[in-house]
This record gives sequence, C-alpha cells and structure tokens, in this order.
Amino acid sequence: SQQGEEDPQALSIQEGENATMNCSYKTSINNLQWYRQNSGRGLVHLILIRSNEREKHSGRLRVTLDTSKKSSSLLITASRAADTASYFCATSQAGNMLTFGGGTRLMVKP
Amino acid sequence: NAGVMQNPRHLVRRRGQEARLRCSPMKGHSHVYWYRQLPEEGLKFMVYLQKENIIDESGMPKERFSAEFPKEGPSILRIQQVVRGDSAAYFCASSPSTGLEQPQHFGDGTRLSIL
Repeated sequence: SQQGEEDPQALSIQEGENATMNCSYKTSINNLQWYRQNSGRGLVHLILIRSNEREKHSGRLRVTLDTSKKSSSLLITASRAADTASYFCATSQAGNMLTFGGGTRLMVKP
Repeated sequence: NAGVMQNPRHLVRRRGQEARLRCSPMKGHSHVYWYRQLPEEGLKFMVYLQKENIIDESGMPKERFSAEFPKEGPSILRIQQVVRGDSAAYFCASSPSTGLEQPQHFGDGTRLSIL
C-alpha cells in the first residue's frame, strides 16, 4: 500500500484563487515534505514540516500536519499561472529514503 | 553552484540492451538516491548510496539492476537486458549528510524508452 496519497488527483482553479491539496499517510513519520514538479523536470523541495510541528509557512505556502489523523495539507494562496505543476508529499521514516504519494496535478488558469 | 546533474536526459534502448544512467550530486553532497517514476505517478525509491557503499537497496529489483557510487566520478544506475517495463523516468537526488531534515535535491531525470 502506498504511504502517501494526495487528494485531489487533479485541481483546476483561476488565477488569484487559493489551492488546497491534501496528503494522507499510513505509518509514523519523522517529517513530511512537499515537492513541486514542473512537466519534464525534477522535483523542487518546497517545505518540510517536522512530526512535532502543526503548521508552517513559507511565502504563499502554508502546510499543516495532523499526526493523529496522519494527514497534511498544502495551501497555496493567491495562485498564479506559474504555480501550474504537480505537487507531491513525501514522508521520511527511518533511514533517508522518501516515500512519495501519487501527486496532485494543479492547473492555474490565467 | 551546479545542482544535481543527470545524463543523458533521454535514452532509447532496444529490448535486451544495457542502459547506463549517470548522476553527479551537488558539490559537497555525499549521499545519493535513485527513484523511478512512471507516467502520472509519484516517485518510487530504488536505492540509497554513499561514497563506495550501498546503504539501502530495498526498492531496487534483485535482477538486472545495479547501482554504484565510486570514490571518484558520478553515481551509475545500470539496467541490464532491458525490457519494455523498464520504460520510465529515473531521478537522482542528493543530500549533504544523514540528517533526517536534510531536503533532497533532485536532478531533471533520465527518460528511458525501451523499443
């Protein structure tokens, strides 16, 4: 079974709106990270939230973590067309490997 | 201050041939990870290496696949006798240390196509 599952799988919004993506996982974690992937490119690290943190901000990004529900959310405020990409959550357990979810494909229409 | 460099960006092989994918980590990074991504899916961990050592290869198929990270030179992911199911994008990532909060820096991947 997959560790990280993103919801929704695809999201289409207008520029200026907020975008919320959710991620659920199954096992205990050390931290949870969000990455962005533009088409045909590698992943870019966005933000890391530790297991003992509940909320973290970085610019227009806001991440929450609920370890009791084993879930996280990524909020992008005031979206821009350039935010169009796939967004992945990844969990880190023992060891350094990351376990990725299937991603949310975000399209922001100008 | 170059990032993670992967080459080639695209690789086409016929069934039965060998594929060699290269990854040069960021300067100062001694930890390398290989992941595989199928279309419309997330990345799946394959192998984690430090210089001259394989630390975790739990995600790598036991047959036909091998990885190395020599003392000098790039990390190599080698796939022998490729089959159609090996078609995917292969990503390399690197990090500077074993710290659990070190984000991994990714290359742009090698897209492998098997004819």
